[in-house]
Parts: sequence; C-alpha cells; structure tokens
Amino acid sequence: SQTIHQWPATLVQPVGSPLSLECTVEGTSNPNLYWYRQAAGRGLQLLFYSVGIGQISSEVPQNLSASRPQDRQFILSSKKLLLSDSGFYLCAWSGHSSYTFGSGTRLTVV
Amino acid sequence: DAKTTQPTSMDCAEGRAANLPCNHSTISGNEYVYWYRQIHSQGPQYIIHGLKNNETNEMASLIITEDRKSSTLILPHATLRDTAVYYCIVRVANSQEGSNYKLTFGKGTLLTVNP
Repeated sequence: SQTIHQWPATLVQPVGSPLSLECTVEGTSNPNLYWYRQAAGRGLQLLFYSVGIGQISSEVPQNLSASRPQDRQFILSSKKLLLSDSGFYLCAWSGHSSYTFGSGTRLTVV
Repeated sequence: DAKTTQPTSMDCAEGRAANLPCNHSTISGNEYVYWYRQIHSQGPQYIIHGLKNNETNEMASLIITEDRKSSTLILPHATLRDTAVYYCIVRVANSQEGSNYKLTFGKGTLLTVNP
C-alpha cells in the first residue's frame, strides 16, 4: 500500500534561518506531488506541484522553493525564513483519483 | 476548477445523520465532486467522490442532484470523531495534464458533533 512520510512534525526556526522540509512517498511510482500551506485560521493554499523529477510548478510568488531530486522525494526549502512563513505545511501525492496527505509540519518562525 | 459554496459551520447531535450541502452551479460535464475532511492539526482525508450517480462507501454517502449543480455529503451516524472541516471540491479527474491534478480548497464547513 502507498504511504507518505513527512518530517519533522514540528519545527521552530529563527527569522533569517534556512529551511528544508522533506516528503517521501512509498508504494507508488511517478506520483504527482504537492506542497500546501495552511496559515493559522486560514485555508489550504497550494504552493508547488510536481509531475516528475525536476519538474516544479509554483502557484504563488513567495519566499520558498521546491525540488524533486528523486521520483518519490519532494523537498520544500527556504534560504532565509520570514515571520510570515509560519504555518502548517502539508505534502500530498495523487494518483489518477484522490489525494493522500502527509501528517504535516507545523513551522513557527520566531 | 468550478467554484463551490458551503455553509461556514453546522452542528449535529452524536448518533444522528449529518447532512452537509454544497453548491457547484458552474460545474462542467467532466468535473467530479470530491469531499475531503480535515480534523484539527491533521492533513485532509479523502472521503468520497462522484460524477453523476449517488455513491456510498464505508465513511459516507454522496447525493448529487440530477442537474449536478449541488450535492450533499451524508454521515449516517455522526460521532464525536467526525468533528472536522469538510471540503467540497469539484475538479477534473483522470486527466493527463499535470495542472488538472491540482486540488483547490475553499473554506469548507466546520461540522461540530455534539454529545
């Protein structure tokens, strides 16, 4: 069966520090991968999606970037975090029908 | 993807059926209706989806009107653990275009199941 792993579960980082969140999928090949963010009290916002290795589409201009170095690995990064980057970050994968989400990373930038 | 309209919040008594409505009057012929829910501090969870016919699985039933402009998600016997934000989303499924895989979430309905 397919599983999605996302870590860490929580993270507290100072303003200006770098960020790297990793997401891996098991049990499937060539999945579509997604990064979403949910700010406190807000809805889910799609940040990036990828349909294959090295293929990244950005949905909104922001302080973050994404990479897909391997088929089942999706990384969210920042060189210098801002306070506004705080939020709940969710990785997801999709086959041809439904999405499966990871358990999320709660990032607090202080 | 077509836009959806849902009530901001609803309450339901434990053990009773919860009926969550969704309007999607601009839905296209090739768009499916999907329902997800998000329990607090967790990732969204897929519930059910359908195109034209009513659907049922172990979690819920989906009733889609004949004109497909609205639908209702039914949780037949709501429990306290069903308290969550429920999202109704319409989108094209089974498309080879990467952009058509995007899942766009609205604000959803906060369902509170009361003891």
